[in-house]
Amino acid sequence: EAGVVQSPRYKIIEKKQPVAFWCNPISGHNTLYWYRQNLGQGPELLIRYENEEAVDDSQLPKDRFSAERLKGVDSTLKIQPAELGDSAVYLCASSLGGGTTDTQYFGPGTRLTVL
Amino acid sequence: AQSVTQPDIHITVSEGASLELRCNYSYGATPYLFWYVQSPGQGLQLLLKYFSGDTLVQGIKGFEAEFKRSQSSFNLRKPSVHWSDAAEYFCAVGTGTASKLTFGTGTRLQVTL
Repeated sequence: EAGVVQSPRYKIIEKKQPVAFWCNPISGHNTLYWYRQNLGQGPELLIRYENEEAVDDSQLPKDRFSAERLKGVDSTLKIQPAELGDSAVYLCASSLGGGTTDTQYFGPGTRLTVL
Repeated sequence: AQSVTQPDIHITVSEGASLELRCNYSYGATPYLFWYVQSPGQGLQLLLKYFSGDTLVQGIKGFEAEFKRSQSSFNLRKPSVHWSDAAEYFCAVGTGTASKLTFGTGTRLQVTL
């Protein structure tokens, strides 16, 4: 069974430039998560989708970050414009959804460097 | 709000030695507990999880963890470490639901030959 797929794996951009990350969850998983992992820290949730609906985006910096999950499958996370402090690993995870004991499975992440 | 503490930032063990990584949480009720491992440049791989029932949980790669309610702990153990176990280990807590996880800051494991 294929795992969570993310692209690109690495991205280097200048500050103030836009950037986008793509995630394809495990087939059949209805819930999709985007996390940010700063250096030396654990992942922190940015947004959670149940199918197409963003059910928890309280930690998403909405002035510069946006996300979408069209058709309830793939998702894109965008930053515009990027700032130096956005350098981090952006992780996508997915889970079956629908229960309190849902287990999250993570993709390899996208390492973003903002210069 | 819940919190997760991994007191050890970095641990070094010899190959073949036993391992225990500590995890303490702060939450009033019984949480959902997870251990994930992250190898360099990789995402997080689930090692094991605890939802309810037997407090000693077996996971992949020979790891186990024990939930101790009285100590608010969920320590990860392995009886004999292999060089390939070198990685970063994260404890995570879900409170009321596994859909909202709080992660610890991680423990980096180094294995010497």
